[in-house]
Amino acid sequence: EAGVTQFPSHSVIEKGQTVTLRCDPISGHDNLYWYRRVMGKEIKFLLHFVKESKQDESGMPNNRFLAERTGGTYSTLKVQPAELEDSGVYFCASSRGSNIQYFGAGTRLSVL
Amino acid sequence: AQRVTQPEKLLSVFKGAPVELKCNYSYSGSPELFWYVQYSRQRLQLLLRHISRESIKGFTADLNKGETSFHLKKPFAQEEDSAMYYCALPALSGYNKLIFGAGTRLAVHP
Repeated sequence: EAGVTQFPSHSVIEKGQTVTLRCDPISGHDNLYWYRRVMGKEIKFLLHFVKESKQDESGMPNNRFLAERTGGTYSTLKVQPAELEDSGVYFCASSRGSNIQYFGAGTRLSVL
Repeated sequence: AQRVTQPEKLLSVFKGAPVELKCNYSYSGSPELFWYVQYSRQRLQLLLRHISRESIKGFTADLNKGETSFHLKKPFAQEEDSAMYYCALPALSGYNKLIFGAGTRLAVHP
């Protein structure tokens, strides 16, 4: 089956600009997760969707981050305005129920 | 608090040498532990989980509750094992969210 797809693979923007990351989960997976790895640190949970509803957004750093999953299919994560500390690798994962999470390759975000 | 610790940022070995990537955890109760791997420019993928007790690509990991460890081992490293390895466990609360360690980069030299 096709895996989790993330776009773009790399984004370079300037501080203050807006960036939108996209995640296409595995078809049929109701659960979708966003995680982030800041340079040299652990991968940290951001939020969890069940279909189009936010189940847990306890990891979202601040209100500059907005995640959506309209229609319960793909998801977007928008950062507006981006700050230097937002740089890192953003991972998306999906799962069927409480089973194993399948991850994408990540989007590397560089804020200059 | 739940935590996963991977003490080595980089592990560098020669082809054919044994490999052990360390993972220690703090957790209340019986954890389910995972090793994920990311090869260059590929998806982060599940390598193995302790409840399945299987060997994948020659790697094994045993849960040691006394030492709260889940070290990943392979007797003879191959160049294609070079990758980033992450140890993880599910949070006690939060609907399946995973808690990861900081990762260990394994570099296997010819």
